[in-house]
Order: sequence, then structure tokens, then C-alpha cells
Amino acid sequence: IAGITQAPTSQILAAGRRMTLRCTQDMRHNAMYWYRQDLGLGLRLIHYSNTAGTTGKGEVPDGYSVSRANTDDFPLTLASAVPSQTSVYFCASRIEGQGNYGYTFGSGTRLTVV
Amino acid sequence: GENVEQHPSTLSVQEGDSAVIKCTYSDSASNYFPWYKQELGKGPQLIIDIRSNVGEKKDQRIAVTLNKTAKHFSLHITETQPEDSAVYFCAASSNYGQNFVFGPGTRLSVLP
Repeated sequence: IAGITQAPTSQILAAGRRMTLRCTQDMRHNAMYWYRQDLGLGLRLIHYSNTAGTTGKGEVPDGYSVSRANTDDFPLTLASAVPSQTSVYFCASRIEGQGNYGYTFGSGTRLTVV
Repeated sequence: GENVEQHPSTLSVQEGDSAVIKCTYSDSASNYFPWYKQELGKGPQLIIDIRSNVGEKKDQRIAVTLNKTAKHFSLHITETQPEDSAVYFCAASSNYGQNFVFGPGTRLSVLP
């Protein structure tokens, strides 16, 4: 792989169920992010991690948790899914401090909570 | 916090014409402004960016301009082609790329 891999690509989930969205990158980027994309609202930051072992809350963190045990993986967990969490989820990463500030995005996970 | 507005929400142009998308931001401390292109079913892809110490940047048919005083920046696409059809997002960051705030997006359609 080269870049960011997200899994699954799509999922239908019953409300109340627990779900983990996976994100793996092989670029050795130190910073990683989770965004949700909803029609008319653009991309909104859920959680981020500036380096392995640290995480932070974004604009819409409620109902979600993340962990960053190593550089490559940044899973997003929905502890008890609700219909308002129906969205397309994008994982992104970047390198800090090398003059290239842009994100690399994954292909997304389309989640439907019913 | 930062707020980014983007206009228009949809834009249709004839092939070969130019397209302009405008964004405004609220935080005067913002210093990095990227533009992303998102094709159907794919993740956003960085196409051009500009830093606060530069007023204009070009890359082939794409250019971005920044007016720090007015707090707005624009994407210019010249000689548009059908493959330019996509959703375009602007973003702003006050910490050189950390925790962007994105605009709501512009759906560009290039008509053959």
C-alpha cells in the first residue's frame, strides 16, 4: 500500500451497536485526523493526533473515541451508534515541520446507522 | 474559532472558460490556505495551497490569490476541461496545517 487505507469502505450499522473504523498509513506521517463529511456542511474534524501516544478533540468529538498506539494506525470508535452519525468518514495524515502542510486523505468509509 | 465561507455552492461553466471560487475566513491569525478537489466516491486531494506571506501562486491552469487585509482567497481555474468537474473545498489553518477548518464546498460542472 502507498498512502492511507480505510476500512471498511461502507457499512450499515444498527443503532446502539459498537463500530471501529480503521485507518492505516504507510507514509510515516506523524499527524493523523478523522473528519466526517455531511452534505452542505463540508468536512468537520472529529479527533486528531499530532504524534503517536497523543490525541485531541476536534469540532464534533461527541460519541467518538480514538487511539494512537503507533505511528501508522488511527482507529475511530463509535461506542453506541446513533442515526445522526450516518456520514462519510475520512481519515487524513500529514507530516509536520517539513514545509509541506497539506493533508493526504483516505478514500473514506460510508457509514449508515439505522 | 475560525469560520470559512465559500461561494458559490454550485458553478457551471462551458469547457474552455474560466472558473473562480471564493472563500472568506474570520481568524486573522490564519496563515495557511489549501484547496482540495474531491471527485465522486474519492477522498479530497490537495491541488494547490498558499501561505500568508504570499499573495498569489500558480500551477499550470490553477492559481490561488490571497488578500489578507480583506481575509479572502480565491481559486482560479483557466481553460477548464470536463475532468475539472468535481467538488472543491477551501480550508484555513492558523497553525500551518494543523486542524484545518474547511469551507462547505463548491460543486463545479464543466459542460462540453
